[in-house]
Amino acid sequence: GDSVTQMEGPVTLSEEAFLTINCTYTATGYPSLFWYVQYPGEGLQLLLKATKADDKGSNKGFEATYRKETTSFHLEKGSVQVSDSAVYFCALSSLGKSTFGDGTTLTVKP
Amino acid sequence: EAGVAQSPRYKIIEKRQSVAFWCNPISGHATLYWYQQILGQGPKLLIQFQNNGVVDDSQLPKDRFSAERLKGVDSTLKIQPAKLEDSAVYLCASSSVREGLYGYTFGSGTRLTVV
Repeated sequence: GDSVTQMEGPVTLSEEAFLTINCTYTATGYPSLFWYVQYPGEGLQLLLKATKADDKGSNKGFEATYRKETTSFHLEKGSVQVSDSAVYFCALSSLGKSTFGDGTTLTVKP
Repeated sequence: EAGVAQSPRYKIIEKRQSVAFWCNPISGHATLYWYQQILGQGPKLLIQFQNNGVVDDSQLPKDRFSAERLKGVDSTLKIQPAKLEDSAVYLCASSSVREGLYGYTFGSGTRLTVV
């Protein structure tokens, strides 16, 4: 079946540091790829998406590029803020079904 | 646009009791999902509805869990009887027909603690 593997956390960074959270996937069909963010006590919010190979999704300074050859969708941000502290989930959608990774907790310190 | 509404936000029950959660999706979203999110894990699909029909309930523990979406709008998820391992956040999500392109909109979830 489909699966999503994220780098294990937690990840702790200082403000203005560069962020990378790795995500790789296996899927039948041609999936769409997503990053969701979950703040404490809240549901998941869609952060960005990409629907075909080489597409780059971006939002709020975060970016991720759909790499079909490496089956990856790594999340990056050039300069993190304290307000970016949250849990980040990589997900795919294929043939009407979605699969989520187990999340990576990011803590940004001032 | 109003988001996905869920209630209650928190619930504490004893094992073997029953509990019900309610979800009202975004207006016009045909597809509704219930997910279980255990602490430290990603959401796991319990059941998916398309309008008022079940599309996928293969991961729903049907001996104790049930769900309905009678009029194709709001939905109720029930657990009876609850077990300790049911302690989790229950998330409701909805999507338009083209969920593969636009992703899901999630509610804030119901945190269930079974003691």
